[in-house]
Amino acid sequence: AQKITQTQPGMFVQEKEAVTLDCTYDTSDPSYGLFWYKQPSSGEMIFLIYQGSYDQQNATEGRYSLNFQKARKSANLVISASQLGDSAMYFCAMRERSGGSNYKLTFGKGTLLTVNP
Amino acid sequence: DVKVTQSSRYLVKRTGEKVFLECVQDMDHENMFWYRQDPGLGLRLIYFSYDVKMKEKGDIPEGYSVSREKKERFSLILESASTNQTSMYLCASSLGRRGAGANVLTFGAGSRLTVL
Repeated sequence: AQKITQTQPGMFVQEKEAVTLDCTYDTSDPSYGLFWYKQPSSGEMIFLIYQGSYDQQNATEGRYSLNFQKARKSANLVISASQLGDSAMYFCAMRERSGGSNYKLTFGKGTLLTVNP
Repeated sequence: DVKVTQSSRYLVKRTGEKVFLECVQDMDHENMFWYRQDPGLGLRLIYFSYDVKMKEKGDIPEGYSVSREKKERFSLILESASTNQTSMYLCASSLGRRGAGANVLTFGAGSRLTVL
């Protein structure tokens, strides 16, 4: 079973509008973390935002915010005021325990966002 | 500036060859990871290491092995390359085992391997 599900293979948004990229997860570990990474066409992986399972408030980083709904096991990324440079692949990832005190990061399949002028 | 360096950006190998992919980080990170990235499949974890000479299997370890003799270097080995191992390989590292900040991955630029 998939641990991280991104149901939108591709999304389109008009420049300056907001867009939400969906992510649902599955884990039995009470202590976990959720990440979003951006991969532009150049191929580099860029860390965007992090949410811990015990964090009370939704994480925000500039134009990025994470809509964390723990009961629904969802961690959607919201990008406000989209820019052309936001066109990229976006990956949701989950940190969970992998035996003892070690952790691993599991990624979803990604969503390709295209920002139209 | 924090860096993860992968020795080869592009490689072309023949079926059956032994392939080494090298990764070096200069951040004194404890954890290192190897992922492969394929279109439509996202990133899949092959192996990771949380200490020198320690390794742990990821989700798709078959056909791969790893070596971590020094803290800064993590090598991925394909003992006998096959065409289904044609892929983009991404190395990453993170600071330590605990805490949110400790587990932010820093990625290398990737190694695109083609097996003919």
